[in-house]
Amino acid sequence: AQKITQTQPGMFVQEKEAVTLDCTYDTSDQSYGLFWYKQPSSGEMIFLIYQGSYDEQNATEGRYSLNFQKARKSANLVISASQLGDSAMYFCAMREPYSSASKIIFGSGTRLSIRP
Amino acid sequence: EPEVTQTPSHQVTQMGQEVILRCVPISNHLYFYWYRQILGQKVEFLVSFYNNEISEKSEIFDDQFSVERPDGSNFTLKIRSTKLEDSAMYFCASSGEGAWTEAFFGQGTRLTVV
Repeated sequence: AQKITQTQPGMFVQEKEAVTLDCTYDTSDQSYGLFWYKQPSSGEMIFLIYQGSYDEQNATEGRYSLNFQKARKSANLVISASQLGDSAMYFCAMREPYSSASKIIFGSGTRLSIRP
Repeated sequence: EPEVTQTPSHQVTQMGQEVILRCVPISNHLYFYWYRQILGQKVEFLVSFYNNEISEKSEIFDDQFSVERPDGSNFTLKIRSTKLEDSAMYFCASSGEGAWTEAFFGQGTRLTVV
């Protein structure tokens, strides 16, 4: 069974600092996708970044990068130069493409608060 | 930029009533999903839908729930005889061909059962 673990329920970071949000996963499948979503207080779910299990390079999207360590089954999100607008809930998620309509499974989330 | 659109954004309903939550997925997407998030809790998978039929459903998705794609653009979630514990944010999502692609979520419908 799939499992996503986010061990940091909450984090406080000073503005402009880099922050790493931890995510570990458990799967017996060889091919899967890993995602990070941001949920601000307004409630919507915003896609941030994606990493495929066969991708050799770590994914990057602007200030977001995904530190993918396949052997350790970790997929940490790194936000460089944090901004006040980064304060939100962050969810790590995984998708096993064992079927064409495979669902995405979410971790429990990390609430990130940026201090001015 | 294409987006998933959900209506209404908020819905208040009396316990026992039926509600229909509506979603317009991204137009060239083939896979559709409903998720639920009870306030402050985890995002839970409800159901996935492909080729006009349910692909997978969770144990939450019991006979109280149904989904439909009535006209090729809308994707609906019907909740019959709502209960207090159905109060949650409901998210629709869609993704394109290939399981490697990301799923895009709508802004959610906040359902309150009173």
